[in-house]
Amino acid sequence: GAGVSQTPSNKVTEKGKYVELRCDPISGHTALYWYRQSLGQGPEFLIYFQGTGAADDSGLPNDRFFAVRPEGSVSTLKIQRTERGDSAVYLCASSADRAATLHFGNGTRLTVT
Amino acid sequence: GQQVMQIPQYQHVQEGEDFTTYCNSSTTLSNIQWYKQRPGGHPVFLIQLVKSGEVKKQKRLTFQFGEAKKNSSLHITATQTTDVGTYFCAGPNSGYSTLTFGKGTMLLVSP
Repeated sequence: GAGVSQTPSNKVTEKGKYVELRCDPISGHTALYWYRQSLGQGPEFLIYFQGTGAADDSGLPNDRFFAVRPEGSVSTLKIQRTERGDSAVYLCASSADRAATLHFGNGTRLTVT
Repeated sequence: GQQVMQIPQYQHVQEGEDFTTYCNSSTTLSNIQWYKQRPGGHPVFLIQLVKSGEVKKQKRLTFQFGEAKKNSSLHITATQTTDVGTYFCAGPNSGYSTLTFGKGTMLLVSP
């Protein structure tokens, strides 16, 4: 596709449930990032993939959060036992190389009730 | 860890007035990037500065990278309503594994 695609655009879930957020990066981009953005804040880094491997997962807040990119393209961010504090917009970005210009998707707005 | 700070957090101007936002990093940066996020949208890349003291212009926008490569500014001349949005600066961490974003400056322009 022409840009980074994220699905779903909105997700409402109950506290304690499991959710998966999907990101389809720009074709050919080897670097993929997940960020989280709360209202009035800048994007907060979660995890960075170079190819299939998670090169830096230092931003994941705890072990309820996990992400995969099995074939070096599409990535899935998985959140177990969701909490109300997980509510935010989850942004995915891809770039041609690490820390190069980031191309963001439209984000998934996660609401935990 | 690396911190990137931006001031002001918010600015409301009349159309035609100038606007400036400032960005400061706790560490020396190899480069700095600026992004714009429209209300309800996602961050969109504006520009990257690499050299110490570098100044770049994009129409009414002027970007500057400090001599010590720890600060940057974005100046908009004669704002228009289309300039509304939040402006973020971002710098790479030492391992080049991520960009650290500031909290942004939200710009409101009244016609």
